[in-house]
Amino acid sequence: SQQGEEDPQALSIQEGENATMNCSYKTSINNLQWYRQNSGRGLVHLILIRSNEREKHSGRLRVTLDTSKKSSSLLITASRAADTASYFCATTDTGGFKTIFGAGTRLFVKA
Amino acid sequence: DAGVIQSPRHEVTEMGQEVTLRCKPISGHNSLFWYRQTMMRGLELLIYFNNNVPIDDSGMPEDRFSAKMPNASFSTLKIQPSEPRDSAVYFCASSRDRAADTQYFGPGTRLTVL
Repeated sequence: SQQGEEDPQALSIQEGENATMNCSYKTSINNLQWYRQNSGRGLVHLILIRSNEREKHSGRLRVTLDTSKKSSSLLITASRAADTASYFCATTDTGGFKTIFGAGTRLFVKA
Repeated sequence: DAGVIQSPRHEVTEMGQEVTLRCKPISGHNSLFWYRQTMMRGLELLIYFNNNVPIDDSGMPEDRFSAKMPNASFSTLKIQPSEPRDSAVYFCASSRDRAADTQYFGPGTRLTVL
């Protein structure tokens, strides 16, 4: 089964609101990454958090990692219509050889 | 840098035909990945090369699928013979060193098998 599972599957919010997406995984990891995919495009890397880190920021993005619960969250603050996309978490095993992507969360930001 | 380049961007073929997808990774990247994305199965890793050597091909669905990386700047994914259930978007990605590093995705090839 997939390593990373996102929750919710879909999220619809108003522009200006915050969006929170969660990712759970099953086995120990080297790192966890979040990617964004706009419709019809390839995935774009957003942020990487290592297994020994608990929180990371990049612009309007905040990622947390709780290895005891095997979960991560991605927070997008002050969302914009341009944030409308699918967001995927990807976990890499401790050997650093295998990365598995979750099913993704589809975010729709209404202007 | 031009990013990961894939060709063709769209491919429509008939069942039974051979299909070859091509990928040029980012220069200097040592790892290359082929993924398949469908609505039903999401994004699946098909095969992962490191320094032109296949490291993990456990995701290759069956013998009809084959992948090669003859040099550091080129890879192919071949499907022979193609079937309608192979219809999907195929992505190539590369990373600087290992799978754990940030992966840079190409624009994908949308394959339709009639």
